[in-house]
Amino acid sequence: AQSVTQPDIHITVSEGASLELRCNYSYGATPYLFWYVQSPGQGLQLLLKYFSGDTLVQGIKGFEAEFKRSQSSFNLRKPSVHWSDAAEYFCAVGRPNTGFQKLVFGTGTRLLVSP
Amino acid sequence: DTEVTQTPKHLVMGMTNKKSLKCEQHMGHRAMYWYKQKAKKPPELMFVYSYEKLSINESVPSRFSPECPNSSLLNLHLHALQPEDSALYLCASSQATGGNQPQHFGDGTRLSIL
Repeated sequence: AQSVTQPDIHITVSEGASLELRCNYSYGATPYLFWYVQSPGQGLQLLLKYFSGDTLVQGIKGFEAEFKRSQSSFNLRKPSVHWSDAAEYFCAVGRPNTGFQKLVFGTGTRLLVSP
Repeated sequence: DTEVTQTPKHLVMGMTNKKSLKCEQHMGHRAMYWYKQKAKKPPELMFVYSYEKLSINESVPSRFSPECPNSSLLNLHLHALQPEDSALYLCASSQATGGNQPQHFGDGTRLSIL
């Protein structure tokens, strides 16, 4: 069964510092990959997605993610974190070529931003 | 601003009450979803509607009853809920149900069962 691992439960980053959130997946082929962000009391907002092609994808709010097939990873990055980026971040995986498959979410990483 | 609108934002109900959650989208999406999210956990899929037909029920107890009256609306009828059903209920939609279809989420309904 496919799975998604976000090894960091919490990460604290100083405002203005760079950020990398880790995501590893377990699946035989390249899945569809997504990053979502959830601010307190709100729903999930799609930051970016990867299906194929260029392995570095740009998203909203200055985020980017890089797909590395050899490492089965899809890490999220941002060069300079703002206090408003404090939120819960979820990596999710969808399976290709099999009709509907539910998104498999990682357990999430809570980002704290210190002044 | 989210393009998926959920009402009410908060709901408190007793275990014997009947209530409904409502979700609406006007993006022309043909797939709609209900998720349940407990605190500090990822969303858990409950139901999927595709072209207004129920296509997936993730073994959800019958006290939760979904309904899709048209392509823009999705309801979740609640009856005789248990305290453990207290959670954030999220609605989502996508253009179709393929694994490459990003899902767009509403802000959820925070449900508390007394």
